[in-house]
Amino acid sequence: GAGVSQSPSNKVTEKGKDVELRCDPISGHTALYWYRQSLGQGLEFLIYFQGNSAPDKSGLPSDRFSAERTGGSVSTLTIQRTQQEDSAVYLCASSLGQGLLNEQFFGPGTRLTVL
Amino acid sequence: GENVEQHPSTLSVQEGDSAVIKCTYSDSASNYFPWYKQELGKGPQLIIDIRSNVGEKKDQRIAVTLNKTAKHFSLHITETQPEDSAVYFCAASRGSTLGRLYFGRGTQLTVWP
Repeated sequence: GAGVSQSPSNKVTEKGKDVELRCDPISGHTALYWYRQSLGQGLEFLIYFQGNSAPDKSGLPSDRFSAERTGGSVSTLTIQRTQQEDSAVYLCASSLGQGLLNEQFFGPGTRLTVL
Repeated sequence: GENVEQHPSTLSVQEGDSAVIKCTYSDSASNYFPWYKQELGKGPQLIIDIRSNVGEKKDQRIAVTLNKTAKHFSLHITETQPEDSAVYFCAASRGSTLGRLYFGRGTQLTVWP
């Protein structure tokens, strides 16, 4: 594909439900990042993968948040027992993971609304 | 950890004027500084970046300057156009090839025709 894709583009859920957000990185990119953007705020780092392993998951706000990546490609971010404060745009980015620059290319995001 | 401060939070300019957005960072180990443009409803788009061994980089109407000693870097947009209107984010990273980005809080740029 031409760029990073994310699905769904919008997700409305009820408090207490679990949600799964998906990210398809640019083909050949070994590094994959998840960020969160709350209304009017900057981007908050959540976790990143190099291949299938996660060297840095320090940004996950609680144990309700988890992410996995299989086959070195697609990644899923799971939020269990959603809370209203989880409402935000969840952005995924990918990069080559090697070379000269840490250029991260972002997808369009998933807008999560927890009622 | 790294702390990136960005100013101003909002900026309005007349078409054709220049716009300057400034950022400071705290971690002297940071060595990669990208700038992103985010239009409404879209993901951030990388517009220009600079490494710590370079003081200035230019790409058409956009330029970035870096002062490692003072730990600040700036985005300069010349001959602004209405389509430059967007939110701009600066970021810093320790890893030149890999690793999380630390973002500023963004600048809403409005260019009036």
